[in-house]
Amino acid sequence: QVHLVESGGGVVEPGRSLRLSCAASGFTFSNYAMHWVRQAPGKGLEWVAVVSYSGGNIYYGDSVKGRFTISRNNSENTVYLRMNSLRPEDTAIYYCARDQGFSGYHYPVDSWGQGTLVTVSS
Amino acid sequence: DIQMTQSPSSLSASIGDRVTITCRASQDITNYLAWFQQKPGQAPKSLIYAASRLQSGVTSRFSASGSGTEFSLTIRSLQSEDSGTYYCQQYHDYPRTFGQGTKVEI
Repeated sequence: QVHLVESGGGVVEPGRSLRLSCAASGFTFSNYAMHWVRQAPGKGLEWVAVVSYSGGNIYYGDSVKGRFTISRNNSENTVYLRMNSLRPEDTAIYYCARDQGFSGYHYPVDSWGQGTLVTVSS
Repeated sequence: DIQMTQSPSSLSASIGDRVTITCRASQDITNYLAWFQQKPGQAPKSLIYAASRLQSGVTSRFSASGSGTEFSLTIRSLQSEDSGTYYCQQYHDYPRTFGQGTKVEI
């Protein structure tokens, strides 16, 4: 079955960078778009970014545009989120999620990882 | 951006009750709407897609309907394991946006 495992979270100072990874297994990774979704402590879900199956189509949420970069390595079945210029308001659990489609258009998320916690604090 | 508004923000119900959560989009999203369930300390779980279709393995006690701007999720014969927070999300356009969540207490 679909298995997504996030890693790379931790405590980081404001202004610094961090790279999250999501290792996928149980399906043909290169056939699916992949998302990152985050959840600040005690708050709701916020969509962050998506990358299409080939990496050719990428979109970002307004709050991270210009600071975060999503990418994927289909030979390693892994999707990444590079986070630069981190702010305290980026503190959240970051979830990796699989799209039901390949392009990222008009298909929903159907599977989620367990998340990795990022804390931005001095 | 498309705004998603859920109501109520929270509700309390009893075992065996039928509960309904509504979700309104700020513009027409046809049927590009999903529902998710999240239990405390856990990752979200996908329940519904295309406004009314159950994800694989989801109990038929959940049902959903709607199109355009008005949507609803109904839980029939509420069970203790249904407690948690429910979110709607539109996937008609980017950025994908979630409702603020509805906390269901039993």
